[in-house]
Amino acid sequence: SQQGEEDPQALSIQEGENATMNCSYKTSINNLQWYRQNSGRGLVHLILIRSNEREKHSGRLRVTLDTSKKSSSLLITASRAADTASYFCAGSSGGSYIPTFGRGTSLIVHP
Amino acid sequence: DAGITQSPRHKVTETGTPVTLRCHQTENHRYMYWYRQDPGHGLRLIHYSYGVKDTDKGEVSDGYSVSRSKTEDFLLTLESATSSQTSVYFCAISEIAGNNEQFFGPGTRLTVL
Repeated sequence: SQQGEEDPQALSIQEGENATMNCSYKTSINNLQWYRQNSGRGLVHLILIRSNEREKHSGRLRVTLDTSKKSSSLLITASRAADTASYFCAGSSGGSYIPTFGRGTSLIVHP
Repeated sequence: DAGITQSPRHKVTETGTPVTLRCHQTENHRYMYWYRQDPGHGLRLIHYSYGVKDTDKGEVSDGYSVSRSKTEDFLLTLESATSSQTSVYFCAISEIAGNNEQFFGPGTRLTVL
């Protein structure tokens, strides 16, 4: 079962705009990760946020976690055409640290 | 990029034939995983390994087996390939359970006719 469902499924924006993707999950998590996948490539880890953290930053990325709502968001500020990719959230829960991935958000940034 | 390679990168085979995909890492990471990626399903875990000769099933393990005889190699076998196993297969590795950032290989595109 999916421990992470991204919303929206697809997002199209102009370069320079901010992109926000959301992730909802079903059961309590130990941590939640975000990954990026460029077309035809493997996934690349972006950021990990633990269950006791509420916000993390990495460059132009900002991730928030709301455990009461079982949701997370990924914000990409000042987007670039090179940010065009699919973005996945993955939650780890229980005694297992194996992440379970959602179906992803496809982001297109138009130059 | 983390040192993960997958072979072959592309394969076309016929229904009923055996297929083995190989994942090789040079990072000495303990954990290795096989996922399949299909449109509308995201990534789904097939099998994983937490050490040499230590493996366990994932969400979609039916029709697949794995083996890990060395730290660096994790093999995925389809004993008798079916068209439903047409997919892109990704291998991933992670170092320790508590910091489970995964590093992914480039993927293998398998087509079963």
